Amino acid sequence: AQSVTQLDSQVPVFEEAPVELRCNYSSSVSVYLFWYVQYPNQGLQLLLKYLSGSTLVKGINGFEAEFNKSQTSFHLRKPSVHISDTAEYFCAVKMKTSYDKVIFGPGTSLSVIP
Amino acid sequence: SQTIHQWPATLVQPVGSPLSLECTVEGTSNPNLYWYRQAAGRGLQLLFYSVGIGQISSEVPQNLSASRPQDRQFILSSKKLLLSDSGFYLCAWSNGGEVDTQYFGPGTRLTVL
Repeated sequence: AQSVTQLDSQVPVFEEAPVELRCNYSSSVSVYLFWYVQYPNQGLQLLLKYLSGSTLVKGINGFEAEFNKSQTSFHLRKPSVHISDTAEYFCAVKMKTSYDKVIFGPGTSLSVIP
Repeated sequence: SQTIHQWPATLVQPVGSPLSLECTVEGTSNPNLYWYRQAAGRGLQLLFYSVGIGQISSEVPQNLSASRPQDRQFILSSKKLLLSDSGFYLCAWSNGGEVDTQYFGPGTRLTVL
């Protein structure tokens, strides 16, 4: 069975500083990987996804993530955060089969401090 | 383009009252549909998913039920709400298949008093 771990439940960071949100997964087969962002009282919005090819994936709002197969990780990064990046971030994984469902991590709350 | 709607946006209900939340998707046909719940400060809990009209799979046994009367309509119901049913309810859709990227609605904030 697959699982997703987001070790940091809360990440405070100063405005314009870089940030990395960590995501690790476990799976017996190859996977697709996703990052979603949830602003307060809103639904989840897809930030980026890794399907295949280049391990560095660029998404919306200046975020990027790097797939590391050997470390089974898919960490999300942004070189300079803004106040508007304050939100909950969810990592998700899906095994490369047609019948398995997407599994979401517990989320990381990013707080950008002015 | 595809859009997903949920209503109502917020709801305050007394314990023991019934519940009906609605989700509709536009711009796609035969989507997979999902209901999730977020309790305060918690992650996503998958409640139900559907791959077609009348086909509902339940992930967690509870006093909630789901129905899919039309291809792009997904309804979450309860006959008697519990305090523990409070939370943020999210509907999502996907095209299924191997990648199965999910797209979420704006959510419904339910408070049971």
